[in-house]
Amino acid sequence: RKEVEQDPGPFNVPEGATVAFNCTYSNSASQSFFWYRQDCRKEPKLLMSVYSSGNEDGRFTAQLNRASQYISLLIRDSKLSDSATYLCVVNKGYQKVTFGIGTKLQVIP
Amino acid sequence: GAVVSQHPSWVICKSGTSVKIECRSLDFQATTMFWYRQFPKQSLMLMATSNEGSKATYEQGVEKDKFLINHASLTLSTLTVTSAHPEDSSFYICSAPGQWNTEAFFGQGTRLTVV
Repeated sequence: RKEVEQDPGPFNVPEGATVAFNCTYSNSASQSFFWYRQDCRKEPKLLMSVYSSGNEDGRFTAQLNRASQYISLLIRDSKLSDSATYLCVVNKGYQKVTFGIGTKLQVIP
Repeated sequence: GAVVSQHPSWVICKSGTSVKIECRSLDFQATTMFWYRQFPKQSLMLMATSNEGSKATYEQGVEKDKFLINHASLTLSTLTVTSAHPEDSSFYICSAPGQWNTEAFFGQGTRLTVV
């Protein structure tokens, strides 16, 4: 089993739609969790951290479920500019992060 | 926020030559840096962990004699791809971790094409 698993997609959604991604992780001792966004041929950029209490940043909501070992990302009112690959990132501690394969999102006009 | 600068952003080299990629932390000290490789339509794969003042730690399947890593100072790590071959063509990215398990800070990436 991979340490971090994501559905690679692609998810093709119309503008204005709500889309959700999930990511599961295998190491129950994982300490911190993040969603990164990666545009084609660019480096990943932090989108948001993920907390058990959930956190929201504008149209984006992230949630962590430690019992089931998954994190989620919800994007409301999708924009064309949201088209990218979204990477689930898990920090196991000791400064070592593990990336999921990424979920590709394509927002269609 | 913390900034990591990676250079060059792209390079084309002939098969058999060596290429050096630099990764600098600009406003913080990084005792550890990570080097990743990403092939098209694949995830970032950790190649090695670079440790300041000591030998790098390589992931399974990564040839340490081919991918030389040097972390001579708290702000600079270098990856040298020796005797590059076309199959080494990839996107190489470095990152430095934040303190207290915060996020990782990435360099801009280097697209290497070996012809």
